Amino acid sequence: DAGVIQSPRHEVTEMGQEVTLRCKPISGHDYLFWYRQTMMRGLELLIYFNNNVPIDDSGMPEDRFSAKMPNASFSTLKIQPSEPRDSAVYFCASSPPGNTDTQYFGPGTRLTVL
Amino acid sequence: GESVGLHLPTLSVQEGDNSIINCAYSNSASDYFIWYKQESGKGPQFIIDIRSNMDKRQGQRVTVLLNKTVKHLSLQIAATQPGDSAVYFCAAGGGSYIPTFGRGTSLIVHP
Repeated sequence: DAGVIQSPRHEVTEMGQEVTLRCKPISGHDYLFWYRQTMMRGLELLIYFNNNVPIDDSGMPEDRFSAKMPNASFSTLKIQPSEPRDSAVYFCASSPPGNTDTQYFGPGTRLTVL
Repeated sequence: GESVGLHLPTLSVQEGDNSIINCAYSNSASDYFIWYKQESGKGPQFIIDIRSNMDKRQGQRVTVLLNKTVKHLSLQIAATQPGDSAVYFCAAGGGSYIPTFGRGTSLIVHP
């Protein structure tokens, strides 16, 4: 079975540019999570969706960050404009119906903003 | 929210030794706990979980112990191998909130 798929795996961009990260959750899972991981802050939950609807976006750092889930098999996390402090590894995870406790993580996208 | 912390950021052990990684949580309402393993360049992967109605749960070479009185759980790895080198996260969840992850402990296994 394919796990959570994320693209790109690596992204290097310049400050001020728009960045779009993509995620395909595991088929049949109805929860999708976006995390950011840095050495300083560890793993932070940014936002999560249930049945394509954003449930809690309190972890989104600021208005430069936005996330969408147009359908059950695709989600995007966009940063516009990007800043060097956004450099981190961004993970997408999904969970099956009725079980948000066990999350299946993708391989992550390593973002570097110069 | 949940505050989850780990006692040590790095743990170094010799191959073959047993490893113990500790974790503390703050929310008494937490009733489900999970340990994840994150290898370099990969996302966290589920290792083992335990519910609050249990004190101990064993898997293959791993054991999780839960002490609800002091809000503490630990992950024990028997006969640690080089392949166990990774960052280990605990997460506390249950009820209506999403599990919160700790900062992680880096386990280094020396051959």
